Amino acid sequence: QSVLTQPPSASGTPGQRVTISCSGTTSNIESNYVYWYQQLPGTAPKLLIYRSNQRPSGVPDRFSGSKSGTSASLAISGLRSEDEADYYCAAWDDSLSGVVFGGGTKLTVL
Amino acid sequence: EVQLLESGGGLVQPGGSLRLSCAASGFTFSSYGMSWVRQAPGKGLEWVAAISGSGGITYYADSVRGRFTISRDNFNNMVHLQMSSLRAEDTAAYYCAKAEWELRVPFDYWGQGTLVTVSS
Repeated sequence: QSVLTQPPSASGTPGQRVTISCSGTTSNIESNYVYWYQQLPGTAPKLLIYRSNQRPSGVPDRFSGSKSGTSASLAISGLRSEDEADYYCAAWDDSLSGVVFGGGTKLTVL
Repeated sequence: EVQLLESGGGLVQPGGSLRLSCAASGFTFSSYGMSWVRQAPGKGLEWVAAISGSGGITYYADSVRGRFTISRDNFNNMVHLQMSSLRAEDTAAYYCAKAEWELRVPFDYWGQGTLVTVSS
């Protein structure tokens, strides 16, 4: 059971906008930045969003992050086939004194 | 360019020990916290341990506390994970990861991972 809660799956058609939610508590998401990662099969996770809503250079602006209270979300607009991957949210947890992850969301592009 | 290269994975019997290493380059190593994160086959990501830039502060997940030890060598830009009393449930790909900013934050760069298999 992961500390952060994500839906196990999401889907959309090319060009659509999809959002992936991440629910936490006052000791993690509400108190700290949220990070989002994309993991393609057989590869290491790649940073998509840092500090809740910042995009690293090289990440398309189709990806955006937001946070409100104890929840965060990742939005992907203009969905493309190459976006098919697993997505994870993460945050530092002040009570557990460690990084906590969501269970991951498998995104399927139909 | 930031690079993290793990080594040391392999097959080990239950109860055995293994030492993982991560060679870092492309950034001021001693200024950043480093962590180990693992992923069991077909499962999600699990943070394992973190160490501050100076090495003076360490944090561990409950699942490994008392069995694993994280350390770093700032002269050689290396971070290590000493694993002992290994169990079948420790079988996973182990990733070295760099904190995006100081220590108590998630990561901006990851290594390619090294596989640890605990089995008799």
